[in-house]
Amino acid sequence: LAKTTQPISMDSYEGQEVNITCSHNNIATNDYITWYQQFPSQGPRFIIQGYKTKVTNEVASLFIPADRKSSTLSLPRVSLSDTAVYYCLVGGYSNQAGTALIFGKGTTLSVSS
Amino acid sequence: DSGVTQTPKHLITATGQRVTLRCSPRSGDLSVYWYQQSLDQGLQFLIQYYNGEERAKGNILERFSAQQFPDLHSELNLSSLELGDSALYFCASSAPGLARGEQFFGPGTRLTVL
Repeated sequence: LAKTTQPISMDSYEGQEVNITCSHNNIATNDYITWYQQFPSQGPRFIIQGYKTKVTNEVASLFIPADRKSSTLSLPRVSLSDTAVYYCLVGGYSNQAGTALIFGKGTTLSVSS
Repeated sequence: DSGVTQTPKHLITATGQRVTLRCSPRSGDLSVYWYQQSLDQGLQFLIQYYNGEERAKGNILERFSAQQFPDLHSELNLSSLELGDSALYFCASSAPGLARGEQFFGPGTRLTVL
């Protein structure tokens, strides 16, 4: 499994765009990049996943450069409710039986008014 | 609501005791995972079951065991409890055909060992 490095914490204000970058220099050809969000005392929640270029869904965008050695989670116009821990995970996942997730320390995002 | 249920929500017990945590996966999900989250260790994968069979093991202690039943619900048994076992225990489930690596987590069971 590729080791990931992401900032321990980030601060933002409501309405701003937040970009959290994750480094994964040893990413393998079959690895996907997945981001999870976790609120205090709740289970993590899947946000977005990508393999290359750009992926966008209703809550976030994921930018992956051509070399795939890093990725950036972009949260548009954050609100107080986006205050949470964000985890970047990299791995080759079995689509049939599933694969265990290996979480790092994550990035604690604090959004202020 | 992820569709994954866990009981009990809170559990307080004493050192040396044994407890059982229960998880019901989302309807149709065949894979169940158990994770432990403590302040000092973060979120750690313990064990995975797929359709009743153990599929992968993580940092699960020998004092801990799990199983997945024919109806696909799972139980995590923790025995000879120590103070350091106090943590949030999450169960997650996944289904084939979804985005790779997408798991649905339950609300967790908070275990306090006194």
